[in-house]
Formats: sequence, structure tokens, C-alpha cells
Amino acid sequence: EAGVAQSPRYKIIEKRQSVAFWCNPISGHATLYWYQQILGQGPKLLIQFQNNGVVDDSQLPKDRFSAERLKGVDSTLKIQPAKLEDSAVYLCASSQATGYYGYTFGSGTRLTVV
Amino acid sequence: AQSVSQHNHHVILSEAASLELGCNYSYGGTVNLFWYVQYPGQHLQLLLKYFSGDPLVKGIKGFEAEFIKSKFSFNLRKPSVQWSDTAEYFCAVNRGGATNKLIFGTGTLLAVQP
Repeated sequence: EAGVAQSPRYKIIEKRQSVAFWCNPISGHATLYWYQQILGQGPKLLIQFQNNGVVDDSQLPKDRFSAERLKGVDSTLKIQPAKLEDSAVYLCASSQATGYYGYTFGSGTRLTVV
Repeated sequence: AQSVSQHNHHVILSEAASLELGCNYSYGGTVNLFWYVQYPGQHLQLLLKYFSGDPLVKGIKGFEAEFIKSKFSFNLRKPSVQWSDTAEYFCAVNRGGATNKLIFGTGTLLAVQP
């Protein structure tokens, strides 16, 4: 089974620039998550989609972050404008509806804002 | 605040030593519990999970964890660690239902010395 695909693997941008990350979940997984993992911390959920609808975006900084999941398959997370504190690894994960069979994580995108 | 706590941030062991990593959560009601491992440069991988049934759960690579409901704990154990177990370990909880997001602890960095 193919895993969760993410791109790019690495990105370096200057503060106030914009950046976008892409995720393609495992085929058939209805639920898609974006997590932010700051160095030394556990992953923090930014947004959860069920098919193409948002289930939870309570921790998404909506003034600068946006995400969409068109057609209920792949997803894009955007930051505009970026701040230094956005430097982190952005993880995408997917699961079947209840998570019972586990959550599969992608390799992440490491963002450095300078 | 509701949270997942991992008490040990850094653990250093010699090969063949026994391992126990603590995890406590503060949610009431039904929870599903997970341990994930992140090897250097790799993505998060599921070690084991508990949804119901026998509170002693066996996972991959010789790891096990015990769910103690009265203590709100789900500690990870391994009787004899190997150098290849060097990694970061994350405890995570989901509460089931419609919002089945994973909430992570801060992680424990394990270094096994040969």
C-alpha cells in the first residue's frame, strides 16, 4: 500500500513570504489531518478534514494559515505571510473514519523561515 | 487543561537495559491510546494501540504497553533495548466519536548506548 505522500520535503523562505504544502493521503482514507511539529514538541493538530469538509480547525491560525481538500482526496496547506515561529515540520496524516486501523503519517515538510 | 503528559523528555540507556516510558492523559470517558515512534529522519510509525479488551497490549519490535484506567496511564515498556531503538517516542490519545483526532504528548527522546 502506498503511503501518505507529501511535498516538498524541505522549504526555506523569508519571513512575510508565502508557502504551500501538498499532501496525497492513502487511497480510501476519508479523514485527513495536518499537524505542526515544532522542534522539541509533539505534533499539534492544525486542521482535520472528513472527505472535503472541515471537522476541526480550532488550532489553525486562520489569519495566516489556510487549507483545502478539494474533491475529498489530496490537500494543500498554505501559510501567508510566514513568520519566524512557523518554522516546523508540517505533517500530513490520514485514517479511515474511526482511526481504529491507525493513522498513517507522511514524511513531512520541514519549513525554515529566516 | 486536557492533555497528554510524557514525564521523561530524555532517557539514556545501555543496551539490554529495560525501558519504561510514562504516559498520562487527563481526559475522562472513553479514550483510545497509541504509542508512535519516530526514528531519526523517518516518519512517525505506529508501535501499538489500545482500543478495548486486554489492557496489556503487545506491539511491534518487542514493545508492550499497559493501560491502567484508574491511573489514566498508558506506559510503554520493553524488557531489553537495542541500539536500534534510539528514537523519539510519542504517546497519543483520541477520544473516538466524530472528532477522532490524535492528541500527542511532547515526546521522549531515547538514546541507547552500545
